[in-house]
Amino acid sequence: QVQLVQSGAEVKKPGSSVKVSCKASGGTFSSYAISWVRQAPGQGLEWMGRIIPILGIANYAQKFQGRVTITADKSTSTAYMELSSLRSEDTAVYYCARDLGGSYNPFDYWGQGTLVTVSS
Amino acid sequence: DIQMTQSPSTLSASVGDRVTITCRASQSISSWLAWYQQKPGKAPKLLIYKASSLESGVPSRFSGSGSGTEFTLTISSLQPDDFATYYCQQYNSYSFTFGPGTKVDIK
Repeated sequence: QVQLVQSGAEVKKPGSSVKVSCKASGGTFSSYAISWVRQAPGQGLEWMGRIIPILGIANYAQKFQGRVTITADKSTSTAYMELSSLRSEDTAVYYCARDLGGSYNPFDYWGQGTLVTVSS
Repeated sequence: DIQMTQSPSTLSASVGDRVTITCRASQSISSWLAWYQQKPGKAPKLLIYKASSLESGVPSRFSGSGSGTEFTLTISSLQPDDFATYYCQQYNSYSFTFGPGTKVDIK
């Protein structure tokens, strides 16, 4: 059984950066992909980007290009999402989610979510 | 980028009702569509993938259909546990786009 456990809530100042972690257990971490999805208060789901740990290659939604960096540490089965130049509109719950890698797979396991609050 | 729309945005229904939600893609996505259920304060849960395949452990009252640009999620007999928000999602190796969601609430 795959489990994704995320780091705790964060409060950040505008202009700063945040780094959220997602530790996986169960399955073979390197063989699947991890995406990051965010949800602003009362809003829908927004995909930010994805990494396949075995390749170490990430791709990003155009909206977040240049501001988000997704990495993975195969030795600890942990994925990271760093978002820079934070603004109030980045206040949201950030989720990591797994797909089986490859080209066409949905998100079958999700982390519990991490609330990031951006406030001066 | 592929855009996804859903209708209705809100749906009021009673226990036992048959409920249908529609999702449309701005261009053909073949059958690469998933449906998720989300309850307040919880992560989304995968219900349907590849447009019509039921995820393991999901009750059979949920079903999906469609291909190309138009898809539907049907709940054959709404249960108390089904009051939630439902999202469609198109997926491929390079991008994933969610619909805006449909909230199913109690009539």
